[in-house]
Amino acid sequence: QVQLQESGPGLVKPSGTLSLTCTVSGGSISSSNWWSWVRQPPGKGLEWIGEIYHSGATNYNPSLKSRVTISVDRSKNQLSLKVTSVTAADTAVYYCAREPVDFVGNFDYWGQGTLVTVSS
Amino acid sequence: EIVLTQSPATLSLSPGERATVSCTASQSVSGFLAWYQQKPGQAPRLLIYDASNRATGIPARFSGSGSGTDFTLTISSLEPEDFAVYFCQQRAGWPWTFGQGTKVEI
Repeated sequence: QVQLQESGPGLVKPSGTLSLTCTVSGGSISSSNWWSWVRQPPGKGLEWIGEIYHSGATNYNPSLKSRVTISVDRSKNQLSLKVTSVTAADTAVYYCAREPVDFVGNFDYWGQGTLVTVSS
Repeated sequence: EIVLTQSPATLSLSPGERATVSCTASQSVSGFLAWYQQKPGQAPRLLIYDASNRATGIPARFSGSGSGTDFTLTISSLEPEDFAVYFCQQRAGWPWTFGQGTKVEI
């Protein structure tokens, strides 16, 4: 059973950088899956941030592309997210999720999510 | 970007009743539409992928239909654990996008 676990600071100052890590267990990040980050502001809907393949290939949401970097560390079975120049609008629960091989672009396994608050 | 619009925003029903949630895409997504269920404090759970295929372990009371721009999620007989928020999501083109959600409440 694949499990994903997000970790990172729960509080980031405005104009700072949000950094999160997602650790994958029960499966290899080097499998034929894409891995995504999705966020959800409190009480609101879901927004796809971007995705990465174990080769390092990425796709990003154009709305965030200039501020977002997703990377992968195959030796640690982890993927990471960095969002620069954050504002209060970046306050959200951040999820990592797996895209299944047979229907890339959907999400079959999710982490439990981690709340990141942007505030001074 | 493909915009997904769900209706209604809220659906007030009782256990045992039938629930129908609609999702309309701003352009054709063919059959590349999924549905998720989310309960408070939990991550979304994949219910349906490619319009009508139930994900692993999803009960048969959940079904999906549609193609092109109009899609429907049906819960044939609501169980107490089905009261939650439901999202549609497309994978026809980047960026992957979600509907705004439909709350199914008692």
